[in-house]
Amino acid sequence: SQTIHQWPATLVQPVGSPLSLECTVEGTSNPNLYWYRQAAGRGLQLLFYSVGIGQISSEVPQNLSASRPQDRQFILSSKKLLLSDSGFYLCAWSPTVVEKLFFGSGTQLSVL
Amino acid sequence: GNSVTQMEGPVTLSEEAFLTINCTYTATGYPSLFWYVQYPGEGLQLLLKATKADDKGSNKGFEATYRKETTSFHLEKGSVQVSDSAVYFCALDAGGTSYGKLTFGQGTILTVHP
Repeated sequence: SQTIHQWPATLVQPVGSPLSLECTVEGTSNPNLYWYRQAAGRGLQLLFYSVGIGQISSEVPQNLSASRPQDRQFILSSKKLLLSDSGFYLCAWSPTVVEKLFFGSGTQLSVL
Repeated sequence: GNSVTQMEGPVTLSEEAFLTINCTYTATGYPSLFWYVQYPGEGLQLLLKATKADDKGSNKGFEATYRKETTSFHLEKGSVQVSDSAVYFCALDAGGTSYGKLTFGQGTILTVHP
């Protein structure tokens, strides 16, 4: 069966520090991969999605970037965190023929 | 652009009460509609979905009907349990080139007391 792993579960970082959140999927090949963020009091917003290795599409301009170095690995990064980057980050995957998304358990990021 | 609006929470109910969480959407074309649920400490899980007008999605006693005329997809359950306490998200997939990229509402926190 397929599983998705996302870590860490919580993270507290100072403003200006770098960020790296990692997400891996097991049990499937060539998944679509997604990064979502939920800021306080707001809905989930799609940040990035990827349909293959090295292919990244950004949905909103921001201080973050994403990379997909391997088929089932999706990384969310920042060189210098801002206070506004605080939020709940969710990684998700779907089959190429999308019926639904499967979400990881999320990372609560607090930038202080 | 596409958008989803959910009723504001939090919602607090007693066990066996009737639940309605309202959801309305704005989208071009014919989106698919979803309800996702997030239990404490877990990731989002698909609860139910509907892919065309008048479809009814159902799962675990929850139901939602795709109403194109009112652009709504309200979630209902006749008798809630304590174990239903979670955050509920309404979402749409506009399809076409947006396939797989969901637009979510802000989520509704449901707390059910014994």
